[in-house]
Amino acid sequence: ELKVEQNPLFLSMQEGKNYTIYCNYSTTSDRLYWYRQDPGKSLESLFVLLSNGAVKQEGRLMASLDTKARLSTLHITAAVHDLSATYFCAVDIGLDQFYFGTGTSLTVIP
Amino acid sequence: ETGVTQSPTHLIKTRGQQVTLRCSSQSGHNTVSWYQQALGQGPQFIFQYYREEENGRGNFPPRFSGLQFPNYSSELNVNALELDDSALYLCASRRGTSSYNEQFFGPGTRLTVL
Repeated sequence: ELKVEQNPLFLSMQEGKNYTIYCNYSTTSDRLYWYRQDPGKSLESLFVLLSNGAVKQEGRLMASLDTKARLSTLHITAAVHDLSATYFCAVDIGLDQFYFGTGTSLTVIP
Repeated sequence: ETGVTQSPTHLIKTRGQQVTLRCSSQSGHNTVSWYQQALGQGPQFIFQYYREEENGRGNFPPRFSGLQFPNYSSELNVNALELDDSALYLCASRRGTSSYNEQFFGPGTRLTVL
C-alpha cells in the first residue's frame, strides 16, 4: 500500500524562526508536488519537483527532492504570519494518480 | 484564480440520495481529475478523465462515477450517499495526461450528507 507521510502533522513556530517539513513516500517516484491550503479554500500549487536532486525556492520557502531516499523537504526561512496554512506534499506514481500526504498544519506566532 | 470553476460551492443532501457536482476546466486543459478531501485529511484521488474517457481510478466504489464532455467540462456523480461521503470535492485540470504538466485545482464543492 502506497504511503505518503508528512511530519510534523502540526507545527507552531515563532516569526523569524526556521523549520523543515518532511515528506516520506513508500514507492518509486521522481515527481513530487507541494501545495498550500488555507482554511476552507482550495489547493495552491507551490512547487513542482521533477527529478532527483531538484531544488526550488520561492520567497521564504525552499523545496527539495531526494528520490533515492524517497524524501522531500519544505524548508521555511524566517517565518512570517502569512505562511500560516496547511501544507501538503503529493506524489505522482506514474499512473496518472496523485497521492497526497497527511498534511502539516503550520501556525506562525507573532 | 486558477481558471478552474466548480459548482455548487455548498450542498446538503441526505443519506441515500444522489448528487452531481460540476467542474469547468481551465481553457485548453483536456484532462480533469477529481479528489475527495475529508475534514482534516489530505485529498484522495477518485478518478481522472481524458478525452471523455476514464483513464485512472483510485480506491472508490462504483457508486462514484463521472463524465467528461466535449468542451472538457466534467461531472462527478455519487449515488446512494453515505454519511462518510461528507467532504470537500476538488477537481483539477491540466493539459494532456503527463504529470509533467502542472494541474490546477478548483475552489471545491463542500458536500454535507445528513
